[in-house]
Amino acid sequence: EAQVTQNPRYLITVTGKKLTVTCSQNMNHEYMSWYRQDPGLGLRQIYYSMNVEVTDKGDVPEGYKVSRKEKRNFPLILESPSPNQTSLYFCASRTQRRGGVYNEQFFGPGTRLTVL
Amino acid sequence: RKEVEQDPGPFNVPEGATVAFNCTYSNSASQSFFWYRQDCRKEPKLLMSVYSSGNEDGRFTAQLNRASQYISLLIRDSKLSDSATYLCVVNQNNAGNMLTFGGGTRLMVKP
Repeated sequence: EAQVTQNPRYLITVTGKKLTVTCSQNMNHEYMSWYRQDPGLGLRQIYYSMNVEVTDKGDVPEGYKVSRKEKRNFPLILESPSPNQTSLYFCASRTQRRGGVYNEQFFGPGTRLTVL
Repeated sequence: RKEVEQDPGPFNVPEGATVAFNCTYSNSASQSFFWYRQDCRKEPKLLMSVYSSGNEDGRFTAQLNRASQYISLLIRDSKLSDSATYLCVVNQNNAGNMLTFGGGTRLMVKP
């Protein structure tokens, strides 16, 4: 089954304790990205990657790191989490645009993170 | 002004009603537009892309008005299962690959 998976789905942690949220897709998509969703603010992009070893900042990259060593995986790293990073996080993937056309973006099931 | 703006709602409608949502975007160079549906606490899923000529998929019709910089979604004969949040999505940066999401419009269809 074609899908984007994220782990963990739920996480409660404390300020300053490094954590990683994994993301994996089995659709051979070039493009992957991370979003956070907060009430009243909608989905905001944190980082994206257009292919292996190619990553770039989105709208709200502060406090996050990513890596893209393999095509299928795009982990999100919080080196020193803070309470303002409490949010619902989504990973997404899609094929690169072709001829100016953007293809459907597939989302993972989400990770609900609470930082105390 | 937000880059992609939607009325958050909620829109409370009875079953069978027709309901329409609008979404405005700020970047006139935007080229790609989508409607996504998000159920409570779940991931967004593509509902439909929005083409310049307008497009229809069953009870759903999407329209694009470039002159006024808005897109619309019309749902006819609303079902209880249509209750969800509808996200307007726009490609604002044609040089890159970023999609910008509106805050979403919540629809509640009641019996």
